[in-house]
Amino acid sequence: NAGVMQNPRHLVRRRGQEARLRCSPMKGHSHVYWYRQLPEEGLKFMVYLQKENIIDESGMPKERFSAEFPKEGPSILRIQQVVRGDSAAYFCASSPAGTGELFFGEGSRLTVL
Amino acid sequence: GESVGLHLPTLSVQEGDNSIINCAYSNSASDYFIWYKQESGKGPQFIIDIRSNMDKRQGQRVTVLLNKTVKHLSLQIAATQPGDSAVYFCATSNNAGNMLTFGGGTRLMVKP
Repeated sequence: NAGVMQNPRHLVRRRGQEARLRCSPMKGHSHVYWYRQLPEEGLKFMVYLQKENIIDESGMPKERFSAEFPKEGPSILRIQQVVRGDSAAYFCASSPAGTGELFFGEGSRLTVL
Repeated sequence: GESVGLHLPTLSVQEGDNSIINCAYSNSASDYFIWYKQESGKGPQFIIDIRSNMDKRQGQRVTVLLNKTVKHLSLQIAATQPGDSAVYFCATSNNAGNMLTFGGGTRLMVKP
């Protein structure tokens, strides 16, 4: 049973470009979470999604950031017009239900030049 | 707002000794608590969890203690090994959802 799969593992973008990060949850999991981690810091919640629904986006910046989890395919975290401050590791996690342990992917590390 | 914090940013222990990592949380509504281990360049890995109706839970070489009165959580690692070197995070959630709030992390360094 494959774990949470994230790609790309590393992404380099220039300021003003778009970044798309993908996450495939564990098989049987219908809940996806995105977290952001700056170096030497903890993980900060961004958004919680179920299939075709955003449940909680209280941690998402109001501009440039969006997330989706379509009926088919992976969850996508999209960052438009990236700035240097967007450089971070973005982790996706999934769970089989609304409570309990989250299973994390290996993260996508975004570097903005 | 809710916050979860740790007392010690770095903990250095001798191989074979026991390690204790502490965590304070502020939200009284928190009822689920997890410890994660994160090795360099990897995602957080589940270690052990505990619900608010318990005050102690043991796993293999690890024990989590919960003191709801003072909102304090600790992770004890017995006979610490070099492979235990990592950053350890506590995280909490409540019945309002599965959203976990993470603490800032403690780096555990094991000296051979």
